[in-house]
Amino acid sequence: GAVVSQHPSWVICKSGTSVKIECRSLDFQATTMFWYRQFPKQSLMLMATSNEGSKATYEQGVEKDKFLINHASLTLSTLTVTSAHPEDSSFYICSARTDRALGQPQHFGDGTRLSIL
Amino acid sequence: GQQVMQIPQYQHVQEGEDFTTYCNSSTTLSNIQWYKQRPGGHPVFLIQLVKSGEVKKQKRLTFQFGEAKKNSSLHITATQTTDVGTYFCASDSNYQLIWGAGTKLIIKP
Repeated sequence: GAVVSQHPSWVICKSGTSVKIECRSLDFQATTMFWYRQFPKQSLMLMATSNEGSKATYEQGVEKDKFLINHASLTLSTLTVTSAHPEDSSFYICSARTDRALGQPQHFGDGTRLSIL
Repeated sequence: GQQVMQIPQYQHVQEGEDFTTYCNSSTTLSNIQWYKQRPGGHPVFLIQLVKSGEVKKQKRLTFQFGEAKKNSSLHITATQTTDVGTYFCASDSNYQLIWGAGTKLIIKP
């Protein structure tokens, strides 16, 4: 159980393009989803916390107008990288937890490798 | 804010040797979770420790939570090639996970 599906796995696109990444919880309802960015050989950097039916909470330094997050249902959150540029190239991973209570593990999607030319 | 320090950054071992990674915090942790990320993959939840002094085992993996709940360790006995990856510790803070930097386990050829 607790499967999270993330799509697409790979994106290669031109500079200036907007890219949408989907994160779905397949067999559970996720009241909270998280979006991370991971640079090579580094740890996960939390970008934002997405709560169903409310605005996402962005971490300091993350541009909310650049990285649009929508969590319209209990099973789907989307991250849109608007007008992407080469510096936005990275590995983006979403995760979800079944319960907001402390101590619940996060279940991760497979990640999206974004390459902006 | 709360920080979790994890060392070492890398550990090279011969297959069959043991591996250990350590996490420390200056503040008391509510819990500690451990994840494994294979090369090119995503983090996978391994285990959670909650109680002071708790020790849990999963086959060759031993997880410990310090008495003061400020440190934790993961020890792998007799490493195998399937153990390769990066091991992260993480702890809950304000409903988010605070992540350690990770320790990459590398098996020497």
